[in-house]
Amino acid sequence: GQNIDQPTEMTATEGAIVQINCTYQTSGFNGLFWYQQHAGEAPTFLSYNVLDGLEEKGRFSSFLSRSKGYSYLLLKELQMKDSASYLCAVGNTGGFKTIFGAGTRLFVKA
Amino acid sequence: DVKVTQSSRYLVKRTGEKVFLECVQDMDHENMFWYRQDPGLGLRLIYFSYDVKMKEKGDIPEGYSVSREKKERFSLILESASTNQTSMYLCASRRLAGIGELFFGEGSRLTVL
Repeated sequence: GQNIDQPTEMTATEGAIVQINCTYQTSGFNGLFWYQQHAGEAPTFLSYNVLDGLEEKGRFSSFLSRSKGYSYLLLKELQMKDSASYLCAVGNTGGFKTIFGAGTRLFVKA
Repeated sequence: DVKVTQSSRYLVKRTGEKVFLECVQDMDHENMFWYRQDPGLGLRLIYFSYDVKMKEKGDIPEGYSVSREKKERFSLILESASTNQTSMYLCASRRLAGIGELFFGEGSRLTVL
């Protein structure tokens, strides 16, 4: 079967660092994506990992371990505007389908 | 910037009605997708199209059909709407299969009474 697991909700404080974990079991793998979705809005692309290791993009970093079926999204210097849902998604081997986790709702408090 | 436009943000329909949801992208993308998003379930793929007039079933195609007559337009059709199809519907496009991220529309929230 195919399964992507991530925590349902997390809360963190403004200015802090938060790590959102994602584990996956899929029938194929063609990269792992993270998307951000503010309430009532469309998901927007944050990061893409296809090889093991860390990808850094400003305040956001994403890590992948293919052997462990594990990824995390690291958000530094949290801001109130980072309050959103974060979606972990895996591209399948054929390249057409992207499978999404249920998303992690992040609340940033002052 | 890629723009994916969905025809309606909010719709209210009655059980048994036929529903059309339209999606247009302006960046000449090959692939287009329809997802539905429900709390606790995430995004689930209904149908996708990798080229004009081509379509493939996703994970939950029952009760839905699609049409892609032009490259920029991908329509989702509910032949006879039912209450369990009340959901947020998201259209997405991608330049090529297996390459790059999805670009999403703003979503269409459908309520079936």
